[in-house]
Amino acid sequence: EPEVTQTPSHQVTQMGQEVILRCVPISNHLYFYWYRQILGQKVEFLVSFYNNEISEKSEIFDDQFSVERPDGSNFTLKIRSTKLEDSAMYFCASSDRGLWNTEAFFGQGTRLTVV
Amino acid sequence: ILNVEQSPQSLHVQEGDSTNFTCSFPSSNFYALHWYRWETAKSPEALFVMTLNGDEKKKGRISATLNTKEGYSYLYIKGSQPEDSATYLCAFKSDTDKLIFGTGTRLQVFP
Repeated sequence: EPEVTQTPSHQVTQMGQEVILRCVPISNHLYFYWYRQILGQKVEFLVSFYNNEISEKSEIFDDQFSVERPDGSNFTLKIRSTKLEDSAMYFCASSDRGLWNTEAFFGQGTRLTVV
Repeated sequence: ILNVEQSPQSLHVQEGDSTNFTCSFPSSNFYALHWYRWETAKSPEALFVMTLNGDEKKKGRISATLNTKEGYSYLYIKGSQPEDSATYLCAFKSDTDKLIFGTGTRLQVFP
């Protein structure tokens, strides 16, 4: 069964360092998303991506964050200069249509710890 | 600010018990309500996507109802089994791309 895969599963980084979280969405999907969950809090939306551009982003997704789909398969989230408060589980998701009538398929997440 | 609430936060039941949880969401600008099942160390997995007021969906022992006018959805599990132990998340979608998640209900089913 097709699935969304994320690498790495865990990443520890020093404050101020750049990190790239990688995702391989399901191959025929057109919509891509990043969400995160800070420990003890709700899962929160970061960004959606469609037709090779950002379609929506949250207030969290400031200039420190960027997304890319460099080839036909990968979808990456880059955090330029990590802060302690960026520590969270980051989830990639994809869907073949918009989420008004179909589900999002999530990866297993990357646990990012900023020290 | 759009808010989605779930109750209870956690639930412990015996195997064979039936249980239900609630998701409350904004009653305006409704497009869809998603339910996901999230087991520890796994991906959240979709259970239902509900779009119509009064809709009822069923998958095996799990079913869900939707009331968009009053802004709530119920998830029911009949005859809970230990493998049903997971966090159940609901997520509201309005006219934007994003899903707004509730805090989740953590279910533990004891044999």
